[in-house]
Amino acid sequence: KNEVEQSPQNLTAQEGEFITINCSYSVGISALHWLQQHPGGGIVSLFMLSSGKKKHGRLIATINIQEKHSSLHITASHPRDSAVYICAASYNTDKLIFGTGTRLQVFP
Amino acid sequence: EPEVTQTPSHQVTQMGQEVILRCVPISNHLYFYWYRQILGQKVEFLVSFYNNEISEKSEIFDDQFSVERPDGSNFTLKIRSTKLEDSAMYFCASSDTLTTDTQYFGPGTRLTVL
Repeated sequence: KNEVEQSPQNLTAQEGEFITINCSYSVGISALHWLQQHPGGGIVSLFMLSSGKKKHGRLIATINIQEKHSSLHITASHPRDSAVYICAASYNTDKLIFGTGTRLQVFP
Repeated sequence: EPEVTQTPSHQVTQMGQEVILRCVPISNHLYFYWYRQILGQKVEFLVSFYNNEISEKSEIFDDQFSVERPDGSNFTLKIRSTKLEDSAMYFCASSDTLTTDTQYFGPGTRLTVL
């Protein structure tokens, strides 16, 4: 069964800390997505990757195809980074299969 | 920057009533999706739509659900006879190509079935 697992479920950090959120998935994905869900519910796509590493500002996403694992890193975290971060995978179909999300709270 | 829009932002309805949720995808996008998120649960795929027909649907998307692109801009999700368990946030998304491309999400419609 194609599934996506995320850890941790909840994460608290002090401002400035380096944060890592992990995602594992089943074999055969065509792409792995990282998304951010704001407290109001809106969803924003952060990254889509199928290999290697991508960077945007303080956010870095990596994927290891052999280990079926992806990580999202946030450097120099800030309270405005507080949100739910969601990993989602596509398995050569149209649909995205979502993880349960990681709730991040960054305190000043 | 182009964005996906959804209306209404919140819909309250009585069980058994029909509801139509509306979405305006990004104008040059070709692939359209509906997802739902029951409160406290993960986001779930409902349906994808391309070239004026459903390309994939989940087990959730039964005969009570339908989608339509009635004109060149709107993309709608209809629930024929709502049930209490249809209460959820419904998200529309669009992409330029298939799911190997980024999907852009609308702000969601919160549906409450009483």
